[in-house]
Amino acid sequence: NAGVMQNPRHLVRRRGQEARLRCSPMKGHSHVYWYRQLPEEGLKFMVYLQKENIIDESGMPKERFSAEFPKEGPSILRIQQVVRGDSAAYFCASSQYTDRGANTGELFFGEGSRLTVL
Amino acid sequence: TQLLEQSPQFLSIQEGENLTVYCNSSSVFSSLQWYRQEPGEGPVLLVTVVTGGEVKKLKRLTFQFGDARKDSSLHITAAQPGDTGLYLCAGEDLGGNTPLVFGKGTRLSVIA
Repeated sequence: NAGVMQNPRHLVRRRGQEARLRCSPMKGHSHVYWYRQLPEEGLKFMVYLQKENIIDESGMPKERFSAEFPKEGPSILRIQQVVRGDSAAYFCASSQYTDRGANTGELFFGEGSRLTVL
Repeated sequence: TQLLEQSPQFLSIQEGENLTVYCNSSSVFSSLQWYRQEPGEGPVLLVTVVTGGEVKKLKRLTFQFGDARKDSSLHITAAQPGDTGLYLCAGEDLGGNTPLVFGKGTRLSVIA
């Protein structure tokens, strides 16, 4: 089975451009999470999505950032008008939802997309 | 806001030595997970601990969940260069309604 697939692995953008990061979850997984990691930092939660629904976006900056997980196709994290501070590794993870009591919360991570803003 | 503090932040040891890294919080978690992340890769789950006082062993790695479910430790026996990486702990809150909260990690370097 293919794991979580992220692309591109590396993306370079100039200030003011748009960045689009894609994530295909593991087969059979319907829940997708996006995390951001700065150098020497842990993972900071951004957004949690199910197919066609945003479940929790409490970690998303209010402006310029958006995420979707359409019925067909990968989840996309979109950053508009990028600034240098957006440079980071963006990780996508997926999980297989079960009833709350049986969900171990295990996340399967992709290899990340590394965004560099010049 | 739940916070997980990991210590030490950096650790460099010789092959064959033992080590322990810690993950502490003032909050109670329903479970704690440990991940290892290698450079250029995503984190990979090592173990999940759920019960207070629980001890789990994974070959040379021993994980313990504190009795109060606020802290956890990872002990590695006879470290090897292949153990090098960033060790992250992550907590799931009691309600299960918020995503995993990650610590900043312990960066381990094992020198041959």
